[in-house]
Amino acid sequence: AQTVTQSQPEMSVQEAETVTLSCTYDTSESNYYLFWYKQPPSRQMILVIRQEAYKQQNATENRFSVNFQKAAKSFSLKISDSQLGDTAMYFCAFMKPFMNYGGSQGNLIFGKGTKLSVKP
Amino acid sequence: DAGVTQSPTHLIKTRGQQVTLRCSPKSGHDTVSWYQQALGQGPQFIFQYYEEEERQRGNFPDRFSGHQFPNYSSELNVNALLLGDSALYLCASSLMRVYEQFFGPGTRLTVL
Repeated sequence: AQTVTQSQPEMSVQEAETVTLSCTYDTSESNYYLFWYKQPPSRQMILVIRQEAYKQQNATENRFSVNFQKAAKSFSLKISDSQLGDTAMYFCAFMKPFMNYGGSQGNLIFGKGTKLSVKP
Repeated sequence: DAGVTQSPTHLIKTRGQQVTLRCSPKSGHDTVSWYQQALGQGPQFIFQYYEEEERQRGNFPDRFSGHQFPNYSSELNVNALLLGDSALYLCASSLMRVYEQFFGPGTRLTVL
């Protein structure tokens, strides 16, 4: 069974600085997807960034980038130029494609989350 | 374009009762997944519906059941409620062959 571990329950960063959130996972699969989701106090889970395991290039979305180390099963999130609106719970998630029905949506397996506070 | 919507926002029930939660997927999406998020935890997968059938199921008892309608909306039913069922219930919609899920705001269920 796949597991996702986030070893930092809480982190804080000053506005405009850079912060890195850690995530490790355990799987024997070779084809899978990794995600970072953000959940602000409003509770709505928002997708931040996505990485396909077969791609060697690290994904980037504006101020958000990942460091994907497949052999080490590590998937960290870097937030540059942190903003007050980045304050939220951040969840790392793993998905294995569901190979029935010709390959389709799997289910997301989440870590326990990291609470990030951005301070002015 | 409306995103994923869920109703109700909050719900309070007593032990032994039954509850139904509702989800309308994002326009154009055909797949609905349900997750339970206990306080201070990450979401846990309950089940997934596609073409009105349950396609995948997580480690949840049969007290948890669901349904998907022809318009792709979905319901989550929980029978014989336990105190431990108190949680935020999240619905996520997607396209079956696209590996990205969009979440609704959730329903906060409190069981007294």
